[in-house]
Amino acid sequence: GAVVSQHPSWVICKSGTSVKIECRSLDFQATTMFWYRQFPKQSLMLMATSNEGSKATYEQGVEKDKFLINHASLTLSTLTVTSAHPEDSSFYICSARGGSDTHSGANVLTFGAGSRLTVL
Amino acid sequence: SQQGEEDPQALSIQEGENATMNCSYKTSINNLQWYRQNSGRGLVHLILIRSNEREKHSGRLRVTLDTSKKSSSLLITASRAADTASYFCATETSGSRLTFGEGTQLTVNP
Repeated sequence: GAVVSQHPSWVICKSGTSVKIECRSLDFQATTMFWYRQFPKQSLMLMATSNEGSKATYEQGVEKDKFLINHASLTLSTLTVTSAHPEDSSFYICSARGGSDTHSGANVLTFGAGSRLTVL
Repeated sequence: SQQGEEDPQALSIQEGENATMNCSYKTSINNLQWYRQNSGRGLVHLILIRSNEREKHSGRLRVTLDTSKKSSSLLITASRAADTASYFCATETSGSRLTFGEGTQLTVNP
């Protein structure tokens, strides 16, 4: 089945530094990938839609200069948290449409395992 | 903004019992999906129900959808300790955009 790989799975960085998270579709091509953010014991909040070869579409309230998204190939999207601060500490999850629902065969999103960012 | 609301927020049951989680949403949808998330991990797709369907089954999972009430339920029968996880409903509108509910934390006690 479809697999989405995220790297790193966890990262600790100092305040003010930038951190890059990679999201790869391993056995399928993904023209669109999605980036979510999840705080402890909360739901997933869509941050942005990453489009291969074009600019990402950001959700309202998400700073595009803070969260840089690059989707340079059909299998790779990256999220860079620039000048990270402790409030950016969160669980970041990406997804891509590549899996299929067992019964209906409909395309569904396949999620990466997530990347936990801790900013000191 | 999140349009899905789930209840209960937390559910604790004994192994072998059934677990029912509910989800409500606000806008028209193409389909509704349920996902499972183990602590600190990514999401795993469980089941999808289209807007013109009322009920779907998959193994021990049963999902219902009532578009007139804009609500869905997920039933897990004969629960196992390994079912312990957070369960999220997600509504899909256009462009593969998924909006997630707040989630239900299910604990199945052995």
